[in-house]
Amino acid sequence: NAGVTQTPKFQVLKTGQSMTLQCAQDMNHNSMYWYRQDPGMGLRLIYYSASEGTTDKGEVPNGYNVSRLNKREFSLRLESAAPSQTSVYFCASCSQGTPGAEQYFGPGTRLTVT
Amino acid sequence: KQEVTQIPAALSVPEGENLVLNCSFTDSAIYNLQWFRQDPGKGLTSLLLIQSSQREQTSGRLNASLDKSSGRSTLYIAASQPGDSATYLCAVGWNTGKLIFGQGTTLQVKP
Repeated sequence: NAGVTQTPKFQVLKTGQSMTLQCAQDMNHNSMYWYRQDPGMGLRLIYYSASEGTTDKGEVPNGYNVSRLNKREFSLRLESAAPSQTSVYFCASCSQGTPGAEQYFGPGTRLTVT
Repeated sequence: KQEVTQIPAALSVPEGENLVLNCSFTDSAIYNLQWFRQDPGKGLTSLLLIQSSQREQTSGRLNASLDKSSGRSTLYIAASQPGDSATYLCAVGWNTGKLIFGQGTTLQVKP
């Protein structure tokens, strides 16, 4: 049981390049989330998917797109990377609606845009 | 708009001391509150989850309390150890699972 996995672990992009961050969970969770973490800003929600087939914007969605490929996988795409998107990106999942609703996080992707 | 604040931003204590980390939030209409630990360069590990109907949760040397009416939560760490050194984050949640995070308290426990 791997929990939440993310690929890649590290990435360097040039301004204007595109890339997709991958996330998968094996806990049969309904809900999945993408956050970014910046120094002094804490974690901020980019997009989330409450259930398979649905996605919604979070606090900071501009410059990103997401795809809930199936129940296990939730990807985050940067179409035209900007230096302001340099950050650490975390994917998380939880079993929405259960009394616990505890959220589990992946190890993160460290992205640098030059 | 929900805002979550953690005070202090950093804390340094000698080993063995009991300590309290504080978290406050502006909107009391929360579903739950979760405390996380983050080691440098790593992801987040969930420590304790308190439902909105609960007052506290305990796990080992950790005790988290929740006072919705005043918009406050505390994380109490008993008999601190150097291995407790990390950043501690609190987050308030809705039943959709969305979380709003505080900026964290970085704890250093000196041997």
